[in-house]
Amino acid sequence: EDQVTQSPEALRLQEGESSSLNCSYTVSGLRGLFWYRQDPGKGPEFLFTLYSAGEEKEKERLKATLTKKESFLHITAPKPEDSATYLCAVQALSSASKIIFGSGTRLSIRP
Amino acid sequence: GAVVSQHPSRVICKSGTSVKIECRSLDFQATTMFWYRQFPKQSLMLMATSNEGSKATYEQGVEKDKFLINHASLTLSTLTVTSAHPEDSSFYICSASLGTGAEAFFGQGTRLTVV
Repeated sequence: EDQVTQSPEALRLQEGESSSLNCSYTVSGLRGLFWYRQDPGKGPEFLFTLYSAGEEKEKERLKATLTKKESFLHITAPKPEDSATYLCAVQALSSASKIIFGSGTRLSIRP
Repeated sequence: GAVVSQHPSRVICKSGTSVKIECRSLDFQATTMFWYRQFPKQSLMLMATSNEGSKATYEQGVEKDKFLINHASLTLSTLTVTSAHPEDSSFYICSASLGTGAEAFFGQGTRLTVV
C-alpha cells in the first residue's frame, strides 16, 4: 500500500534558525513527489514537484531534495511568514492521477 | 500556476438539507478533479476522483449516495452533500491537475457547518 509519513509533526524555530522537514514514502514506483504549503482555513499552495532521486528544487528560502525513500524540505533562515503546515504528497505509477498526502508538519517561526 | 476556484468558501446549513459545492478550473481544462475532506489539524483525505463525462470513483468508506459528484464539463465539478448531518461538518477541498504526473492545484476550500 502506498504510504507517506512526515516528521516531525510540529516544529517551532526561532527566526533565522534553519532546519529540515522529512517525508518518507513507500510507493510501487514513484511518478512524482509534491510539496505544498497550507495556511489555516485555506487550500494547499503548490511549492515543488520532484520526479527522480537526486533532483533538487529551490524557491526563496526553501529547497526540496529527493532520494529513493524520502524527501527533505530544507528551510534556510526562516521568517515568521514561513509559518504554515507543509504537506508532502506522492503519485504512484500505478495510480493514474491519484495523489496521496502525508499528515503534514506544522511549522511555527518565532520572531 | 493554474487557478482552481471553489465556491462557496463557507456555508452553514440545517441538518437534513443538501449543499452543493462547485469547483472550477479557470485557465485550463481538467479531465480529472479530486475531492478531499480535511478535519482540524489533520491532513487531506481523498474522498473521490471525479472524471469528466463518467461516474466518479469513490475511496473506500466514502458513501457515494451521500456525497454526489458530477463532472459535467472539463472545467466544472460539483460535490453535493445530501441530507447533511452535523458529523458532515468539515473542510472540503477540490483539486485539479494538468495531467498524469503533473502537480495538482487546489481550490480555496469550503468550510461546511451543519447545525
